[in-house]
Amino acid sequence: QSVLTQPPSVSGAPGQRVTISCAGSSSNIGAGYDVHWYRHLPGTAPKLLIYRNINRPSGVPDRFSASKSGTSAALAITGLQAEDEADYYCQSYDSSLSGSPYVFGTGTKVTVL
Amino acid sequence: ELQLLESGGGLVQPGGSLRLSCTASGFPFSSYGMAWVRQAPGKGLEFVSIITNTGGTTYYTDSVKGRFTISRDNSKNTLFLQMNSLRAEDSAVYYCARRGRTKAEKWFDPWGQGTLVTVSS
Repeated sequence: QSVLTQPPSVSGAPGQRVTISCAGSSSNIGAGYDVHWYRHLPGTAPKLLIYRNINRPSGVPDRFSASKSGTSAALAITGLQAEDEADYYCQSYDSSLSGSPYVFGTGTKVTVL
Repeated sequence: ELQLLESGGGLVQPGGSLRLSCTASGFPFSSYGMAWVRQAPGKGLEFVSIITNTGGTTYYTDSVKGRFTISRDNSKNTLFLQMNSLRAEDSAVYYCARRGRTKAEKWFDPWGQGTLVTVSS
């Protein structure tokens, strides 16, 4: 059971901006642990989009940006393109005594209208 | 080029066993922690297990503790996941992924293409 909550789906027209929220708690994001973001097309290797809250690996376009505040984080995609259709996951670390130390969000499907 | 290649998936009966392998190339394997993450049909990504670069420390998600064992052979650049007492709910695509070089780098990059495990009679 995921401890990071994301909206199941978001959509937008080409060129528009969409945001994906990632809600955590005081044992993960709120405890100061970093948030990372991945893009995943089922059947393929997930790809790192953002690491340490706001940083893009080389090769990731600056249309992707992210932020973190309190117990939540968000990923924004501007200038939406058809190729952005995929599932997106946030990930953090959790210090609870039970459960996994590494936690993923519930995932958000991005649809380009 | 960084590359992770999983193998060993397949169809197994409930209660059976499988051993997954992940062969790494393009980076100093023995310097990085490695993890297994799975995705059940229609579900999201779920952390399964992680092992430090030396193999000295491991973590497991609660649902696999006592049934799965993660290990590595740094001389062969290979990560393993021994899965015993398999259940239907273990059916998933299993991905191996590299964690950052240091404990502070708690993200996963790169990932393999995954190997499918189906537990069914």
